[in-house]
Order: sequence, then C-alpha cells, then structure tokens
Amino acid sequence: SSELTQDPTVSVALGQTVRITCQGDSLRSYYASWYQQKPGQAPLLVIYGKNYRPSGIPDRFSGSSSGNTVSLTITGAQAEDEADYYCKSRDSSDNHVVFGGGTRLTVL
Amino acid sequence: EVQLVVSGGDLVQPGGSLRLSCAASGFTLSNYWMHWVRQAPGKGLVWVSRINTGGTVTNYADSVRGRFTISRDNAENTVFLQMSSLRAEDTAVYYCVRSPQYRGDHYFDYWGQGTLVTVSS
Repeated sequence: SSELTQDPTVSVALGQTVRITCQGDSLRSYYASWYQQKPGQAPLLVIYGKNYRPSGIPDRFSGSSSGNTVSLTITGAQAEDEADYYCKSRDSSDNHVVFGGGTRLTVL
Repeated sequence: EVQLVVSGGDLVQPGGSLRLSCAASGFTLSNYWMHWVRQAPGKGLVWVSRINTGGTVTNYADSVRGRFTISRDNAENTVFLQMSSLRAEDTAVYYCVRSPQYRGDHYFDYWGQGTLVTVSS
C-alpha cells in the first residue's frame, strides 16, 4: 500500500502564514482531503477536492496541489488553529483509504 | 442536523468479539458510503473499513481483513462493525464516518463521537 508522509510538527507565530504538506505517489492521481483534530475531539473536515471548504470553515484555510505533494495553508494562523492535521487520499495500489501520519501545529 | 452516534465500545479480552453500532440521523443513510476509522491512544488516524450505499461492496484494511465485518441496515439507519479475534493492537477509539464523493474521492464530512475499544486481559 502507498504512504502519505507529513512532517510530525510545525510551528507558526500568531497571525503568520503556515503551510502543512503531505507527500505521496497516489497524490499524483487522486485528490486529498484535510482534517483538523483537537485533543479529545473527533476530526473535522477542513479541505476537500480541488480546494473546497465545508460550511463553517474559515477562509484562512486553503488547499493546493503540485505533483506528489498537497498542501494545507493557513493564512493568518489563530490560536484556535493549534491542532493535529491529517491528510487523506486513496491508495493507488488497492484503491483503499490512506491517512498521513499527522502534523501537530503549534501556534506561538 | 446530521448526527452519527456510535456505541458498543467496551473492555474485551484478547480473542473476544464486539459489535459497534453507528446510528445515523438528519440525512438519508442510503445515499452515502460509510466508513470506520480508528485511532489508537496517542497515535494517528487509521482507516479500517468501508461499505457502499447498498451494502453490497465492502473493503477492509489488511490489519483487520478476515476478523472484522462491516454491514448496514438502511431501514434502521444504522451501520455496524462486527469485530472478532480481537488483539491488543485493536485497542483504539473507533469513529463512524459519512463519506460523500468528489470525482471518485471519498472524503469524510461527518464523524461520530467515537467509542473506545480496549482489548486487554
């Protein structure tokens, strides 16, 4: 099965812009989605498809893709954005679902 | 309001069985693929299984294939995960997830609250 690789930790100063990346061969062929998870809570969808935000997700969250890498960008990070972020896509070999290992975002 | 209420988590001995239920409300269950995702304590998200709208297609992660069975009852608005031959490494919070599709990609727009399964003697 294919893998999705994320940096384990990323930090950003309050109000600055941060990019969280996810790499994997399957991303050349399939869309990814991004999930935010805060401690003790279920994950929350923040980006899916080309760059779509579900209702209620602030527009400071955006997604992009280039080659085998997808990115989640937070423009003007807020304290409440401190969380774990997971990318998800399809496994190119067996058509199943695969998650990245997650990135813990710290807002300084 | 879309709700997924998960129940059935418990402490079970290695080799034992457990059935999780996911009661759906606020939408038409039969229109959506449904998935189970789990998260071991302090670890990341791991996909477990999925089922198509009619219940005729099911897929499993390699780690649970042959031991877990996903099913659904659209008339009762419920999705199930039957787990058998449980191992310590199955210990996790199990989430039930609704999955619309965008150009063939299953994304997860609503998650249940999760239920803890602990496998230990």
